[in-house]
Amino acid sequence: EAGVVQSPRYKIIEKKQPVAFWCNPISGHNTLYWYRQNLGQGPELLIRYENEEAVDDSQLPKDRFSAERLKGVDSTLKIQPAELGDSAVYLCASSLGGTSYNEQFFGPGTRLTVL
Amino acid sequence: AQKITQTQPGMFVQEKEAVTLDCTYDTSDPSYGLFWYKQPSSGEMIFLIYQGSYDQQNATEGRYSLNFQKARKSANLVISASQLGDSAMYFCAMREGPHQAGTALIFGKGTTLSVSS
Repeated sequence: EAGVVQSPRYKIIEKKQPVAFWCNPISGHNTLYWYRQNLGQGPELLIRYENEEAVDDSQLPKDRFSAERLKGVDSTLKIQPAELGDSAVYLCASSLGGTSYNEQFFGPGTRLTVL
Repeated sequence: AQKITQTQPGMFVQEKEAVTLDCTYDTSDPSYGLFWYKQPSSGEMIFLIYQGSYDQQNATEGRYSLNFQKARKSANLVISASQLGDSAMYFCAMREGPHQAGTALIFGKGTTLSVSS
C-alpha cells in the first residue's frame, strides 16, 4: 500500500513569491491534515479536512495561506505571498476514521526555504 | 500552558542499554490518546506506539513500551536494548477526544536520542 505522497520535497523561493504544496493521502483515508514543523519544534496543525470539508482551520493564517481538497482526495496548500518566517517543513498526514486508535500516517514533508 | 511537555532536549545511551524518554501532558478531556513518533534525520514521522486514556494496561510494541501513569499525567517511552538505528528525534503527541473524532495531534518539542557503540 502506498503511503502519503507529497511534492515537491524541497522548495526555495524568494520572499513575496507564491508557493504551493501538493498531498495525496493514503487511498480511502477520509481525514487529511496539514502540519507545519519549524526547526527544532514539533509539528503544529494548520488545517484538518474531513473528506472535502475543512473542519478545523483555526490555526491557518488566512491572510496568506489557503488550502483546498478537491473531491475529498488530493489536497493543495498555498502561500501567497511567502514571508521569511514561513520557512519550515510542511507535513501532510492522513487517517482512516473508525480504526481502533485512528493513527495518523505522515508524508515525507516539503521543506520550504524563503530567502 | 503547554499541553505536551518533553523536558529532555537530548539523551545519550549506549547500544544495548535501555532508555526512557519523558513526556507529561495536560488535558481536562477524559477521553484522549497518547502517541509516540520517531523522526530520523530524513524527516519522515514514524508511528511507534499508542496508549488510550481508558486502556488498563501499558502499551507495548516490540522494543517499545509506554509507561502510562494516568494520575501523574505522564506517558514515558521506554526503548529496550537500544540500537544505533534508534538515533533520531522522538515526539510525544496527544489527541484530545475520542478516536472517532479524528482531531489533530498536539506535539511536544521532541527529544533527540543519540545511541553510541
